[in-house]
Amino acid sequence: DVKVTQSSRYLVKRTGEKVFLECVQDMDHENMFWYRQDPGLGLRLIYFSYDVKMKEKGDIPEGYSVSREKKERFSLILESASTNQTSMYLCASSLSSQFSPLHFGNGTRLTVT
Amino acid sequence: DAKTTQPPSMDCAEGRAANLPCNHSTISGNEYVYWYRQIHSQGPQYIIHGLKNNETNEMASLIITEDRKSSTLILPHATLRDTAVYYCIVRPTSRYNFNKFYFGSGTKLNVKP
Repeated sequence: DVKVTQSSRYLVKRTGEKVFLECVQDMDHENMFWYRQDPGLGLRLIYFSYDVKMKEKGDIPEGYSVSREKKERFSLILESASTNQTSMYLCASSLSSQFSPLHFGNGTRLTVT
Repeated sequence: DAKTTQPPSMDCAEGRAANLPCNHSTISGNEYVYWYRQIHSQGPQYIIHGLKNNETNEMASLIITEDRKSSTLILPHATLRDTAVYYCIVRPTSRYNFNKFYFGSGTKLNVKP
């Protein structure tokens, strides 16, 4: 079974802090994704990566950056956390095939105070 | 990109079939229909996907109408553990955006004893 592991289930940070959310997958998937999930808004794509060191912006990249130095690891960085970034963050991975489903981690609930 | 419309909630008796509808009237010829579900406090779980033929796996069946403008996810014998939010997604397959999954608000399925 594919396993996508997010390093923290719950995180509380202060406004202005730099925040790192880590995600690791164990299935040698080429693609990795970061979404945020908010009530009434569904899942919104922040960034995705289709290879090591490669990334593309999703629909809401403002205020975020990403890093993929190794194939199995994809990090989401909030350079200066703000209260409107309080959300559930979901990481996912998939094979490169356009027909391959995404496999999600269990999420990190981030609260910025 | 094709959008989907799902009822916000549905009820189903335990042991009965749950039929979850989805409208995707603007779907294009090479776009796939995917279904995911999300149980409270977990990440979305892949269920099934299809193009135009009906599909079945160990979790569910997917029925896509001949004109492909709508589909139905069928859970043949719903259990209490199937209570979740179910998302119907139309996935682009062009090389430029096939990695962008668009999740809407989904259908909250309540399985009752």
